[in-house]
Amino acid sequence: AQKVTQTQTSISVMEKTTVTMDCVYETQDSSYFLFWYKQTASGEIVFLIRQDSYKKENATVGHYSLNFQKPKSSIGLIITATQIEDSAVYFCAMREGQGGRALIFGTGTTVSVSP
Amino acid sequence: EAAVTQSPRNKVTVTGGNVTLSCRQTNSHNYMYWYRQDTGHGLRLIHYSYGAGNLQIGDVPDGYKATRTTQEDFFLLLELASPSQTSLYFCASSAGTGVSNERLFFGHGTKLSVL
Repeated sequence: AQKVTQTQTSISVMEKTTVTMDCVYETQDSSYFLFWYKQTASGEIVFLIRQDSYKKENATVGHYSLNFQKPKSSIGLIITATQIEDSAVYFCAMREGQGGRALIFGTGTTVSVSP
Repeated sequence: EAAVTQSPRNKVTVTGGNVTLSCRQTNSHNYMYWYRQDTGHGLRLIHYSYGAGNLQIGDVPDGYKATRTTQEDFFLLLELASPSQTSLYFCASSAGTGVSNERLFFGHGTKLSVL
């Protein structure tokens, strides 16, 4: 069975610094897809970035990047040059490669960015 | 941007009550999902669907029924609501799994309180 674990419940950082949050996953599939989503204070949940298991290069979108360590079953999210509006809950999620499976989410990490 | 609309936004019912949560997406997405969000548990998958008439069981289905009447509409039914079902419910849709732009689009959530 697939499982996603986020052990950091909350992180506090100063504005314009870099924050890194961890996520480890469990799967029996050789092919899988990893995602990060952001939930803002208003409750809105939006997609941020994705990593396919067969890709060796770490995905990057804007000031979001991933640290994909396949041997460790780890997919960390890195946010550089943080802004106040990056304060949110960040969810890691995984979908196993067999078609039709649904996303399974971790418990989330709350990031607070202070000026 | 994909649009997913949930109704109602807030709902209060009593133990044993009958509740229907509605979700409509207008993006011609094949996949629709129901998640519940609880502190310490993140987002947990209740039911999902590949298309009209299809239903797949998620990870926490007990006490919930769902029905996908059309491609646009996905309903979550609580026929004998219990206090343990007090939660924030999210509906989401996606074009499908395995597509290059695969991602979930979430509604704004329904806050359900069972007294």
